[in-house]
Amino acid sequence: KAGVTQTPRYLIKTRGQQVTLSCSPISGHRSVSWYQQTPGQGLQFLFEYFSETQRNKGNFPGRFSGRQFSNSRSEMNVSTLELGDSALYLCASSLLAGGTDTQYFGPGTRLTVL
Amino acid sequence: AQSVTQLDSQVPVFEEAPVELRCNYSSSVSVYLFWYVQYPNQGLQLLLKYLSGSTLVKGINGFEAEFNKSQTSFHLRKPSVHISDTAEYFCAVKTRGGSNYKLTFGKGTLLTVNP
Repeated sequence: KAGVTQTPRYLIKTRGQQVTLSCSPISGHRSVSWYQQTPGQGLQFLFEYFSETQRNKGNFPGRFSGRQFSNSRSEMNVSTLELGDSALYLCASSLLAGGTDTQYFGPGTRLTVL
Repeated sequence: AQSVTQLDSQVPVFEEAPVELRCNYSSSVSVYLFWYVQYPNQGLQLLLKYLSGSTLVKGINGFEAEFNKSQTSFHLRKPSVHISDTAEYFCAVKTRGGSNYKLTFGKGTLLTVNP
């Protein structure tokens, strides 16, 4: 079975731009969660989608949004980029929603905002 | 508010020595507990989780952890480490009950296994 894939792996943007990151879950998994990892703040939960519905959301501003498609693929969008948005963005998939089912992580997308 | 404290940011050990990575948490509600490992330039991998039942949880790669409710701790242990265990380890806490859960990670502990 193929693992979780994230595209692109690396991205460089400038302040004020917007960016869209993509995550393809393991086949059959319907839950996709997104996380931000920075040296200063560590790992932080962004949101979880299940069956095209956002089930849970972390404490991030509205500039961070996401969606999930009928094939369970998910995208994350960040608008009006700020320098502090530079981070590794990880997505994880699982069979069930709720965060207790084993999550399988992708390798991440490294976003650099200049 | 919920918080997770990993007491050591770095732990250097020699190969075949035992290791304990410490994790304490604070929460006003019941929680589930997790340990993840992150190898360089990779995503996270679940090592083990405590949901209920026995407080001693065994995970992959020979790791185990013990949930201590009175001390609000969930320390990770391995009796004999290998060079390949060099990685960053994260403790995480999730509140129980429903879709509006709160998930908090510790800052991580970098385990370095030296020959």
